Amino acid sequence: QVQLKESGPGLVQASETLSLTCTVSGFSLTSYHVSWVRQPPGKGLEWMGRIRSGGSTDYNSALKSRLSISRDTSKSQVLLKMNSLQTEDTAIYYCTRSGLGANYFDYWGQGVMVTVSS
Amino acid sequence: EIVLTQSPITMAASPGEKVTITCRASSSVSYMYWYQQKSGASSKLWIYDTSKLASGVPDRFSGSGSGTSYSLTISSVETEDAATYYCQQWSSTLTFGSGTKLEIK
Repeated sequence: QVQLKESGPGLVQASETLSLTCTVSGFSLTSYHVSWVRQPPGKGLEWMGRIRSGGSTDYNSALKSRLSISRDTSKSQVLLKMNSLQTEDTAIYYCTRSGLGANYFDYWGQGVMVTVSS
Repeated sequence: EIVLTQSPITMAASPGEKVTITCRASSSVSYMYWYQQKSGASSKLWIYDTSKLASGVPDRFSGSGSGTSYSLTISSVETEDAATYYCQQWSSTLTFGSGTKLEIK
C-alpha cells in the first residue's frame, strides 16, 4: 500500500540547515509528485514546495531562497533542505503525494516534528 | 497569492445537526479541496474537485461551490466528525485556509 514516512532530526539550532527525508513505498517517484507541507504547533498548513514526477521543482515564493527539494529514485526518497532556520520554522513537516494532473494530496505521511532552538 | 478565508473558525454542533463550513477565495479558483485533520494526526483528503468524496468518506458529507465561494456540508453530524477541516486551492500557488475546528456537543 501507499506509504510516506518522514525522518530527520527533532532539534535543530537556529541559523543551521534542516535536512529531512521522505521515504515512500507503494508507488514510484517517477509517476507521482511529492510535496512538503508544514504545520507550526497549533496553526494551519503551509505548502513548501514539490518535486514533480519528471524531477523538476516548484517552491513557495516565501521559502524559495532557503529551500531545496531533491530526490533519489533508487532509494525512493525525497530530500528537503532548508537553510538559515529560525524559531518560526518550528513545525511538523509532512510529505505528501499528488497524482499527475491532480491538484490535491491523496496521501500524507505521519509527519516529523522539528524544533528550532535559539 | 490567493487567500482562503474559512468560517467559522470554530463551531460546536450536536449529533444530528446540519453543519456548513465556508471557504472564500480572494480570487476565483477552479476547484476546491478539503482535508480532515484529527488531533495529533496528519490530514486526510476528504473532498476533491469541489464535490467528489474521497475514498471512505461517508455520504453525509458533501461539497459545493464555484468561483470564490465554496462550502463543505455535513447533513447530520456524528461524533466521529470532530476534527479540523481545511480547504485548499491550487489554481495558482497552492494555499490552504486557516481551518475550521468542529466540536461535537
